[in-house]
Amino acid sequence: GNSVTQMEGPVTLSEEAFLTINCTYTATGYPSLFWYVQYPGEGLQLLLKATKADDKGSNKGFEATYRKETTSFHLEKGSVQVSDSAVYFCALLNQAGTALIFGKGTTLSVSS
Amino acid sequence: GAVVSQHPSRVICKSGTSVKIECRSLDFQATTMFWYRQFPKQSLMLMATSNEGSKATYEQGVEKDKFLINHASLTLSTLTVTSAHPEDSSFYICSAPIGSPVSSYNEQFFGPGTRLTVL
Repeated sequence: GNSVTQMEGPVTLSEEAFLTINCTYTATGYPSLFWYVQYPGEGLQLLLKATKADDKGSNKGFEATYRKETTSFHLEKGSVQVSDSAVYFCALLNQAGTALIFGKGTTLSVSS
Repeated sequence: GAVVSQHPSRVICKSGTSVKIECRSLDFQATTMFWYRQFPKQSLMLMATSNEGSKATYEQGVEKDKFLINHASLTLSTLTVTSAHPEDSSFYICSAPIGSPVSSYNEQFFGPGTRLTVL
């Protein structure tokens, strides 16, 4: 079945550091891929997405490229801010196209 | 963006009692809503798909008689944890997709979650 594997956290960085959060998936075909972010005390919010191979999703300085060769969708940001501190979830759309399958989440903590 | 609310945000109950959690789409209609469960430091696990006007679809391993779902209207789905036990303590999250049909949805909007603690 479909599954998503994320790097375990927490990830602790200083402000303006480079961020990478690894995400790999197992799926039949080429599912749509997503990154969601959960800020403290809030619900999950869509950060970015890619619907086909080689697509690059981007938002708020974050980027992720859908790589079918490596079945990966790593999240990157060139310069993190304190306000980026949150839990990040990688997800894919299930085979039926009706629900999301999530990774375990990676907690990012950025200090000034 | 679209807003999904949940009520209550936190509930503590005694073992054996039932607890109802509401999920509302505030500015859009949702014929389908999803219920997830999140354990500490674990992923969100899909429990069931709530369908307006029809029975919910449960994921494998989820007891439908324990987790009762009612999609009463196009803006409200409820999850009732019946005869709750300490192992049911968890973070319950609902979501609603924008767009129809659901199979071609573009984005899900998530509620802030409900923390259930069963003593």
